[in-house]
Amino acid sequence: GAVVSQHPSWVICKSGTSVKIECRSLDFQATTMFWYRQFPKQSLMLMATSNEGSKATYEQGVEKDKFLINHASLTLSTLTVTSAHPEDSSFYICSAPRDRKEYFGPGTRLTVT
Amino acid sequence: LAKTTQPISMDSYEGQEVNITCSHNNIATNDYITWYQQFPSQGPRFIIQGYKTKVTNEVASLFIPADRKSSTLSLPRVSLSDTAVYYCLVGETQGGKLIFGQGTELSVKP
Repeated sequence: GAVVSQHPSWVICKSGTSVKIECRSLDFQATTMFWYRQFPKQSLMLMATSNEGSKATYEQGVEKDKFLINHASLTLSTLTVTSAHPEDSSFYICSAPRDRKEYFGPGTRLTVT
Repeated sequence: LAKTTQPISMDSYEGQEVNITCSHNNIATNDYITWYQQFPSQGPRFIIQGYKTKVTNEVASLFIPADRKSSTLSLPRVSLSDTAVYYCLVGETQGGKLIFGQGTELSVKP
């Protein structure tokens, strides 16, 4: 089946710094990828749609200047959390569609101290 | 995007059949129904997908009535490892975005 990877799997950073998370589709191409955020005991919340070669589309309430998304190739999308704060600590998950299914990455645990 | 409603939690015992029902009253003609499983600190994993009637694979069955306003995920003979959160999603899955509902937290006890 299709595989989506994320890197890193976990990261700890200091408040005010920026963190980049990578999402890769390993065995298929994805013109679209999605980024989600999940807080403990809550459901996944869609943050944005990443479009290869064009600007990302952000969901209402998600700050596009804080969560920078770049989809530079058909297999890679990156999410950069800029000027991270403790409230940005969360589990970030990406996904890519293929064959009418959504394939999810393993997630990245971000902790901001 | 069709909104989904599921029970927040369910309890079961090993070896039992578990049925989780999802309501999606405003499902659109082009929408498919897809179920995902999520373990703690992992990304969701595809379980099964259907459009109408019944679909069965090696891990589950999906029952969809004619009006498609609901669907039922059936897990036969659950084990402890089936303890997870199960999400029902409805939408056009050709690159269309998915909006997750609250999911159903299934707890399987010995």
